[in-house]
Amino acid sequence: QQQVKQSPQSLIVQKGGISIINCAYENTAFDYFPWYQQFPGKGPALLIAIRPDVSEKKEGRFTISFNKSAKQFSLHIMDSQPGDSATYFCAASKSTGGFKTIFGAGTRLFVKA
Amino acid sequence: EADIYQTPRYLVIGTGKKITLECSQTMGHDKMYWYQQDPGMELHLIHYSYGVNSTEKGDLSSESTVSRIRTEHFPLTLESARPSHTSQYLCASSDYMRVGTDTQYFGPGTRLTVL
Repeated sequence: QQQVKQSPQSLIVQKGGISIINCAYENTAFDYFPWYQQFPGKGPALLIAIRPDVSEKKEGRFTISFNKSAKQFSLHIMDSQPGDSATYFCAASKSTGGFKTIFGAGTRLFVKA
Repeated sequence: EADIYQTPRYLVIGTGKKITLECSQTMGHDKMYWYQQDPGMELHLIHYSYGVNSTEKGDLSSESTVSRIRTEHFPLTLESARPSHTSQYLCASSDYMRVGTDTQYFGPGTRLTVL
């Protein structure tokens, strides 16, 4: 019940294409869903995050779509660029009580020039 | 850009040695974490802390220990390094108590190799 399942494990997209990464969770108590981006040799960094009271959040080329009833959320990268090549982690956490953020297993994205 | 620092960045050490990986943050964040990660792979939580004098074990069984004597400092100690400890170690912090969300700010990592 504490898992966050992320897919696919790896993704190859042509430059200019759309990259889509999906995550699913079980615990309905989760109320904060961030995505992190990690480049080789660096620590992960927050990319974009969403609360379950909205179904979509957009920041530039990055959009989170959230489906509360299906307990799924996804990251869409529009007009994917070679510089977007990185590992992406979805995560889920609760804002009350003692908790740990649960991370997905990661998706390695490669954008071909 | 978050101010969280890890030293050393790279460490090569022999089996059986005691090592301490340093992590410091200057943001006054209450929560701090240690993760183990093979390059580009899953993040495995090994220890975390809610604040001073608080430490908890994470999901990954570990032969390491941590301490949190000061808010800004969260060192990780391996009493006897083994080749199986070869990995990248990431430290993170979050300002949960103030902002109410567990957005984590990660350091650059320490790449540990045990021969």
